[in-house]
Parts: sequence; structure tokens; C-alpha cells
Amino acid sequence: KQEVTQIPAALSVPEGENLVLNCSFTDSAIYNLQWFRQDPGKGLTSLLLIQSSQREQTSGRLNASLDKSSGRSTLYIAASQPGDSATYLCAVNDYKLSFGAGTTVTVRA
Amino acid sequence: NAGVTQTPKFQVLKTGQSMTLQCAQDMNHNSMYWYRQDPGMGLRLIYYSASEGTTDKGEVPNGYNVSRLNKREFSLRLESAAPSQTSVYFCASSEDLTLSYEQYFGPGTRLTVT
Repeated sequence: KQEVTQIPAALSVPEGENLVLNCSFTDSAIYNLQWFRQDPGKGLTSLLLIQSSQREQTSGRLNASLDKSSGRSTLYIAASQPGDSATYLCAVNDYKLSFGAGTTVTVRA
Repeated sequence: NAGVTQTPKFQVLKTGQSMTLQCAQDMNHNSMYWYRQDPGMGLRLIYYSASEGTTDKGEVPNGYNVSRLNKREFSLRLESAAPSQTSVYFCASSEDLTLSYEQYFGPGTRLTVT
């Protein structure tokens, strides 16, 4: 059974600092890995999808890396802004999505 | 293009009552999913439908039933609600179950069972 872990559970940084969010998974036989953003009381918004054959994916200030052999993915958010405050979830697709519990990020102005 | 829509947004039930959560997508996706989200536990898959006419159990199917009414709609039914089913329920869809397509999520239904 796939286990997905996100550490830390919460993170608070001053505006402008770069964010590094970690995701680890136990079974490397995956199709892809997806990073989501969830605002309080809202649904999930897809940020980045990394296919199993890719090492990284970029969108604007966001960059996600994938190391299947070690079962790790990292989401980098450059030059954080207060609007980046949210919970970030990673999900591993090994035929079905398995989610981590998320990292709640607070960016202080 | 509304994406994935869910009704209702909020619901309060008494123990033993039944209800159906509705989900529809307008992206012509083949696969649809129901998840529940509980604090500190991430999202867990309840049921999924790989394509119209098929449904399968996910990680936590007990106490739920589903119907894939057509390609657009996938409903989740609680026959006899229990307090342990208090949660936020999300519906999602993707082009295909087996290939590497991303999932798109609805806004959620917040259910409280008293």
C-alpha cells in the first residue's frame, strides 16, 4: 500500500523567502506525481503534474522535482508572497491517487 | 466550462438518515472519483469509476454506494449516515484512469452527521 508523507506539517516564513516543501512515498512504481494547492474551505487546485519519466516540472515561480528511486519529490516556490499562504498537498498516482496530509504554509508580510 | 461541480455545498444529517451527493463534469472525462478529507489524514479514495458503466471500491468504501449515471455524472450515496462519516467530500475527474492524466477536483461538500 502506497504511503505518502509530507514534512513539515506546517511552515511559516517571511515574505520573499523561498519555500521548500517535501513529499516522500514508499512505492516507486508510479505513473506520475501531482502537487495541489488548497485554500481554507475550498477544493483542490492542481499546480504541477510530473510524469514518472520526468525529473522536474516548472510553472512560473513553482518548480517541482521528482526522484523516483529515492521516493521523493520537492516543491520549490520562489520569492514567496502572502498570497502563497495555503495548504499544499502532494499525490502519487500508482493507478489511484494516494495523498499526503499536506503542508500548511503561512507567508508573513 | 464549469469543470467539476458538486451539490450540495453543505449538509447536516441526523444519524440513520440517507442522502445522495451529486457530481457532474463537463470535460468529457472518462474517469471519476469520490474522496473524503478528514483533518490530518489527507484525502482518501472512497470509490472510483474508470469509465461509464463501471465502478470500483477504493480505500474506504464501507457505508457508501455509488452510481455512474452517465459519462458526466457520478453520485455518492450514504444509506444510513453515521457520525464517522462527518467529513468533506470531493469529487474529481480525469481523462483516463490508467494513463498519466491529472485529476480535476470539485469544490467539495461539507457533511456533518449528528
